Amino acid sequence: DIVMTQSPDSLAVSQGERATISCKSSQSVLYSSDNKNYLTWYQQKPGQPPKLLISWASFRASGVPDRFSGSGSGTDFTLTISSLQAEDVAVYYCQQYYSIPQTFGQGTRVEIK
Amino acid sequence: EVQLLESGGGLVQPGESLRLSCAASGFSFTSYAMSWVRQAPGKGLEWVSSIRNSGDNTYYADSVKGRITISRDNSNNTLYLQMNTLRAEDTAVYYCAKESSASPRYKDVWGKGTTVTVSS
Repeated sequence: DIVMTQSPDSLAVSQGERATISCKSSQSVLYSSDNKNYLTWYQQKPGQPPKLLISWASFRASGVPDRFSGSGSGTDFTLTISSLQAEDVAVYYCQQYYSIPQTFGQGTRVEIK
Repeated sequence: EVQLLESGGGLVQPGESLRLSCAASGFSFTSYAMSWVRQAPGKGLEWVSSIRNSGDNTYYADSVKGRITISRDNSNNTLYLQMNTLRAEDTAVYYCAKESSASPRYKDVWGKGTTVTVSS
């Protein structure tokens, strides 16, 4: 199984500042035949289901504000919120879909400082 | 509007069974794989099971293999999760999710979830 490890477990950032979350996979999730990273990011606000933010490591889902961006390749990935807003308070999860079983990171809680 | 509505959760005793349903609407159900993801109280997300669009391929987490069966009724746009021999550690909110393609990939739509509690 591919183990997904996020860091930090939680972070508090001032409103308007940058928030950065790391996600590392125990093996590469870059599929050589199509040169795509099989890595996604979800946002889960309190009391709500998860919501898709980023697919293929760097493609924002429809309607997601452009302050959210994803980067990385292979085994190291980053989710960046360029200017944290109050409505971004949530837990963020990465997930690999390179192989079954699909696996999630443990989540990173983002709060306003 | 794409919608997923789960039902069937509840309180059951260890060893009992439960069947969850997920009614889908607003998209071509037969074109997409579907999945179940669960979240134990205060914990993170755990993938449980997926099924291809045609229903001919199913996939399970080791933690549920042999006790849980995923299925779908493409004529009624409904996804199911038959859960047998339930354990306390199966207690969670169970989310139905639409996959982004005919095979399991990333989940682009999620239902609100249904709660399963296994306790004596």
